[in-house]
Amino acid sequence: AQKITQTQPGMFVQEKEAVTLDCTYDTSDQSYGLFWYKQPSSGEMIFLIYQGSYDEQNATEGRYSLNFQKARKSANLVISASQLGDSAMYFCAMREGMDSNYQLIWGAGTKLIIKP
Amino acid sequence: EAQVTQNPRYLITVTGKKLTVTCSQNMNHEYMSWYRQDPGLGLRQIYYSMNVEVTDKGDVPEGYKVSRKEKRNFPLILESPSPNQTSLYFCASSPDGSPTDTQYFGPGTRLTVL
Repeated sequence: AQKITQTQPGMFVQEKEAVTLDCTYDTSDQSYGLFWYKQPSSGEMIFLIYQGSYDEQNATEGRYSLNFQKARKSANLVISASQLGDSAMYFCAMREGMDSNYQLIWGAGTKLIIKP
Repeated sequence: EAQVTQNPRYLITVTGKKLTVTCSQNMNHEYMSWYRQDPGLGLRQIYYSMNVEVTDKGDVPEGYKVSRKEKRNFPLILESPSPNQTSLYFCASSPDGSPTDTQYFGPGTRLTVL
């Protein structure tokens, strides 16, 4: 079974609109981290936002916020007031512990295109 | 500036010619990791290191070697590259292996093996 599922392969959004990128995860660990990364066409992997499994409040970083619903095992990324520069691939990732080699486990990604 | 650096950024080589991709971080991180990214397969871990002289295999270690002689450096070695190792490679580091630690990535190395 997929540990990280991103159900939206691609999205078109009008500039200045808010956008929600979906992510659901599967783990039996109590302690885990959820991360969102942005990969522009140039290829680098840019960290955006993090949510810990024990965090009670949703994480926010500037225009990025994470809608964390632990019981539903979802960690959706919300980008407010989208900009042309937000066009990129977005990856949701989860980090567990020793059993996963402490690695990040990745979703397939969502390609976001912002229309002017 | 806190960062992870990789060199080279782009490399075209031929089958069998040994190569090394360097990775260095200036954040005093204990955990370092190599991933490869391939279309349709996503990012997969090659090797990781919990600290100096401590390395271990990830999910796809075949054809690769690593070493961790110093905390800041974690080079990836391809002793005899083959075309199926054509990929985008990322080095990443984090303070330690905790699930709550953010991994920071280098800029990536695009490798083509002819």
